Amino acid sequence: GQQLNQSPQSMFIQEGEDVSMNCTSSSIFNTWLWYKQDPGEGPVLLIALYKAGELTSNGRLTAQFGITRKDSFLNISASIPSDVGIYFCAGQSGNTPLVFGKGTRLSVIA
Amino acid sequence: DTGVSQNPRHKITKRGQNVTFRCDPISEHNRLYWYRQTLGQGPEFLTYFQNEAQLEKSRLLSDRFSAERPKGSFSTLEIQRTEQGDSAMYLCASSLLVAGELFFGEGSRLTVL
Repeated sequence: GQQLNQSPQSMFIQEGEDVSMNCTSSSIFNTWLWYKQDPGEGPVLLIALYKAGELTSNGRLTAQFGITRKDSFLNISASIPSDVGIYFCAGQSGNTPLVFGKGTRLSVIA
Repeated sequence: DTGVSQNPRHKITKRGQNVTFRCDPISEHNRLYWYRQTLGQGPEFLTYFQNEAQLEKSRLLSDRFSAERPKGSFSTLEIQRTEQGDSAMYLCASSLLVAGELFFGEGSRLTVL
């Protein structure tokens, strides 16, 4: 089945630093989504990407749909304490259900 | 609040008991999904509905699990004869587009003792 490899698994950064995380797939996706999850809550959609090469921003967040359609990247600029949480990538091909990575746990040190 | 609503938020039960979770999707969304999430993992797909039709079920959905969406609106997920391995967060999501964004509820956390 489809598998998503998300890295890094966790990261500790200083407030104000930029963050980069990525996701790779063993197969091609037509849609890449990035979610953030806080403890005890459901994932919240951050950014959706539908086209290879697409670069989309949402405030301090920027995500890219890799041109090979097998990867995606999420960057967070000037991190703040409320950025703490687990970030998940999710991919979809055709009409199949979304497949999720295992997440990147972000900790921000004030 | 017009988001996806799930209840109960928490359920503690003894092994062997049956439990049922309810999901109310965003009203205009025709697709409804159930995912399961265990500690340290991403959500794993269980099943989804388009309107009242259940279109796909994961191999994770054993015979003890059943999901319904009788009128194409809310959905229920029932787990019969619960086992300790069923302990997880059960997430419901809905979407409007065939290939598009899923909007998740806050989840129902199940603990089987």
